[in-house]
Amino acid sequence: GAVVSQHPSWVICKSGTSVKIECRSLDFQATTMFWYRQFPKQSLMLMATSNEGSKATYEQGVEKDKFLINHASLTLSTLTVTSAHPEDSSFYICSARVKEEWMNEKLFFGSGTQLSVL
Amino acid sequence: GQNIDQPTEMTATEGAIVQINCTYQTSGFNGLFWYQQHAGEAPTFLSYNVLDGLEEKGRFSSFLSRSKGYSYLLLKELQMKDSASYLCAVSLNQAGTALIFGKGTTLSVSS
Repeated sequence: GAVVSQHPSWVICKSGTSVKIECRSLDFQATTMFWYRQFPKQSLMLMATSNEGSKATYEQGVEKDKFLINHASLTLSTLTVTSAHPEDSSFYICSARVKEEWMNEKLFFGSGTQLSVL
Repeated sequence: GQNIDQPTEMTATEGAIVQINCTYQTSGFNGLFWYQQHAGEAPTFLSYNVLDGLEEKGRFSSFLSRSKGYSYLLLKELQMKDSASYLCAVSLNQAGTALIFGKGTTLSVSS
């Protein structure tokens, strides 16, 4: 199946610093990627939809100036958490959508990034 | 609003069969997914249903009834490694909207 590479796997940073998370589709082109965050024992909450070559679409309640998304190529999307604070500590996961002939669509997930802000 | 409900926790023993239910009320429907997620890891795809009926894939089967807004994931011959969270997710439409996830069902398999 399609592979989505996400790194770093975990990051610890000081409050006020910025953290960049990368999500790459390794063997396919992803015109659309999605960014989720997940708190412990909670489900994935969609943060934004990242479209190649255009501005990301953010879900209600997600600060676009704080969570910067760049989708500069068909294989790379980045999420930058700017001026991170302890409440931003969470598990961030990217996914890419692949359309296959026998299936309408299918999401492949990156391995996730555990962010801890001290 | 969008609403996807599934039980929070379930327990079962090795070798048993367990059924995880999911009900949904959403503004659109373009298929229902089941994902398995182990703690601290990303979800992995299990199944996809867009038409009514049962889809069988090895020890895992998934059922969908669109008229009832209902799906279930059936796990047979349970193994310890099946202990995980199982996420039900609905795709609202084909044109660019991502999945809406339920909160997940944590399944604990004991020996």
